Parts: sequence; structure tokens; C-alpha cells
Amino acid sequence: RKEVEQDPGPFNVPEGATVAFNCTYSNSASQSFFWYRQDCRKEPKLLMSVYSSGNEDGRFTAQLNRASQYISLLIRDSKLSDSATYLCVVNPNAGNMLTFGGGTRLMVKP
Amino acid sequence: DTGVSQNPRHKITKRGQNVTFRCDPISEHNRLYWYRQTLGQGPEFLTYFQNEAQLEKSRLLSDRFSAERPKGSFSTLEIQRTEQGDSAMYLCASSLGTGDTEAFFGQGTRLTVV
Repeated sequence: RKEVEQDPGPFNVPEGATVAFNCTYSNSASQSFFWYRQDCRKEPKLLMSVYSSGNEDGRFTAQLNRASQYISLLIRDSKLSDSATYLCVVNPNAGNMLTFGGGTRLMVKP
Repeated sequence: DTGVSQNPRHKITKRGQNVTFRCDPISEHNRLYWYRQTLGQGPEFLTYFQNEAQLEKSRLLSDRFSAERPKGSFSTLEIQRTEQGDSAMYLCASSLGTGDTEAFFGQGTRLTVV
């Protein structure tokens, strides 16, 4: 079993749609969680950190469920520019390596 | 440009040759990571430095791979006796302080072994 698992997609959605991605992680002792965005042939960039209480940044909402060991990302009012691969990232013990999921590809269509 | 810089951007090499990649992190960042990414996959952890100390190495990092970070500044990743399976994007990232802080990635070095 992979340490961090994501549905690879692709998720094809129309502009304006709401789309949600989930990610599960295997290490119950994991301490930090993030969503990164990666555009085609580009490097990953931090989208948002995921806090225990959940957090929102504009159209993006991230939530953490420690009991079930999953993280979610909700994107509201999808834009064409949201088309990218979304990477779930877990830090199993603060300060050490970041473990990436395989990524979920999102394609927003006009 | 004050971001993470990687050189070269592209490298084509014949099987069996040695290659070396360089990463210059953001200057005040004490943590430096190497990752490998193949098409359609997420980045896979290779190794991690805290200043000049190499603190973790993945099992993916065979004896043919070696990384250094002399003086805690830039880092090099060397692959000896390259194999076709080594073809991938090699990504370097740096961060400051704890694992809760953002890791900034370079644009990567794309290696093709022919």
C-alpha cells in the first residue's frame, strides 16, 4: 500500500463546477499536510497547508480527518486556470521528508 | 532570480555514463530535498539534507546514487553507470526551519538515458 494515495483522475468538469478530491495516508503519526499544484511540465508549488480545523483560501477549502486518515480539497466555481495536477503531501514526522501522492489531474472545460 | 536553481535543465546521456546535477537552494534555507518524478507519477523522495548533513536516504537511492551538500549551500546529485530506468525528472526543493514550512521546488533536471 502506498503511503499517500490519490485517485489519478482525470476529473473533467465544466467551468463553474464544484469539484472535490480526496487523499488517504497510511501513517497515523503524520503531522503536517499540504496540497501542492503542478502544471504540465512545471515544478510543484504549494497551494495550501491543511490544518486540523480545516481552512479556506478563496475558492479552495482543505479539510483533514485524522480519524479516517484522509485529506480533502474542494474547489468551488472552477476556472479554466484551475486545470492542473493536484498533489497531496504528507509530512510523516515534522522536519523530515515530504511524501507525495501520485496526484489527481483536473481538467476544467469551457 | 532568488528561487531554487537547478542545472542543467536537460541532460541526455548514454547508458553506463555518469551524470551530475546541481541544485542551488534559496540562500537562507537550511533544508534541501531531492526528488525524482516520472510521467504521470508524483515526486518520489530520494534524500534530504539539514545544512550539510544528509539525514535521510530513500531505499530508491541505490549505491549508484550519491548526493552531497558541502558547506550546507548548493547540492549535487551524481548517478553512476546510468541505466534507462534512471530516465526521469530530478527535482530539488528547499525549505526553512521545520517541516511545516513551504518547500520551494526548482524547475528540475530532465534526464534521458539512451
